[in-house]
Amino acid sequence: IHLTQSPSSLSASVGDRVTITCRASQGISSYLAWYQQKPGQAPKLLIYGASTLQSGVPSRFSGSGSGTDFTLSISSLQPEDFATYYCQRLNSYPFTFGQGTKLEI
Amino acid sequence: DVQLVESGGGLVQPGRSLRLSCAASGFTFDDYAMHWVRQAPGKGLEWVSGINWNSGNIDYADSVKGRFTISRDNAKNSLYLQMNSLRAEDTALYYCGKDKTAGGHGVDYWGQGTLVIVSS
Repeated sequence: IHLTQSPSSLSASVGDRVTITCRASQGISSYLAWYQQKPGQAPKLLIYGASTLQSGVPSRFSGSGSGTDFTLSISSLQPEDFATYYCQRLNSYPFTFGQGTKLEI
Repeated sequence: DVQLVESGGGLVQPGRSLRLSCAASGFTFDDYAMHWVRQAPGKGLEWVSGINWNSGNIDYADSVKGRFTISRDNAKNSLYLQMNSLRAEDTALYYCGKDKTAGGHGVDYWGQGTLVIVSS
């Protein structure tokens, strides 16, 4: 099962709403997670179960979808949100990641 | 606080072996699945291997299957990755990660990584 994220890169401004898409080549129910990674840092879990916000993650982040199509949305971009975002399938091994989406100012 | 500390990385020649370790603290280690994830310089994340709490469910990425072996010692709160027949394309920062649950809900804690460079 492959995961394809789109777009690969995205330019946006503070205050914008952005949406990143992750498409699975086969259905994975709701077994999908989203991560944020900033340069020089380990990834950070944002969303699991496709739509459940990880503790401590701001509510401007949200996830939706099931089956093959998933989205990560950020309702009002903050300066600290500019980073690379990855989806990961978790329905069965191997727990493949998408190729990443770089969100730039 | 949850802490994951990787060690064992370094410069190694192609074809040689290396063993990575991850020391875990701050949580009940044998309640959770654990993973190794790597990131080649300037590239994305690649899931390498995962192991459930009692080592009964293990798997690997196709890119390392047959060369890498994951293991854990619950008595020592430690995770390991034995890497054999190393190739240049195995050069990466290797992260140890704790699963959020017994398995399948994402990695909620990460170490800072240990760098493996495969080069002659």
